Amino acid sequence: ETGVTQTPRHLVMGMTNKKSLKCEQHLGHNAMYWYKQSAKKPLELMFVYNFKEQTENNSVPSRFSPECPNSSHLFLHLHTLQPEDSALYLCASSQSAGVDTGELFFGEGSRLTVL
Amino acid sequence: QKEVEQDPGPLSVPEGAIVSLNCTYSNSAFQYFMWYRQYSRKGPELLMYTYSSGNKEDGRFTAQVDKSSKYISLFIRDSQPSDSATYLCAATGTASKLTFGTGTRLQVTL
Repeated sequence: ETGVTQTPRHLVMGMTNKKSLKCEQHLGHNAMYWYKQSAKKPLELMFVYNFKEQTENNSVPSRFSPECPNSSHLFLHLHTLQPEDSALYLCASSQSAGVDTGELFFGEGSRLTVL
Repeated sequence: QKEVEQDPGPLSVPEGAIVSLNCTYSNSAFQYFMWYRQYSRKGPELLMYTYSSGNKEDGRFTAQVDKSSKYISLFIRDSQPSDSATYLCAATGTASKLTFGTGTRLQVTL
């Protein structure tokens, strides 16, 4: 495996379900990110982890719960989501999480549909 | 006002054409400028990375930044069908977060 891998690629869930998205990076990076991508909107930064510590929570609703057990793995736990949460969720990594870091390596994303 | 503005397109050009993709930004603190390319059903990948004003060339791609007018451009020469993708501009600075535009969808036709 190389780069950043995300599973599952597609997920359909009801509003009362609990599910998790998984991300793994094989690049030796120290920072990992969750982004939300919706149609006709810019990428929205959700969470940032640097050396396993959460350094940013961009006012994300508590129904999204991130977990970073080590620098290579990142999870996004989902519960009681709303239909407007349907989107492509992208995981990314970078060498570190300095504010001027623009070189992100993205996974292919998890397409989430909330019914 | 969005910090980075980008026309969503779609932009359709014939093969071999020169493509010009553009963004404007409002934050004067931005110093680093990027173009990401995103193919359908894939994640974005970094295409070009420039610092401050000026041009940077990589093969058929040229990135241009004009900080005086807060204008970011990506030029693609001799466009190919394989260039069909969504192009995202992004910017950041020492005191600001990485900020993306909405992306411009490009279609290069045979």
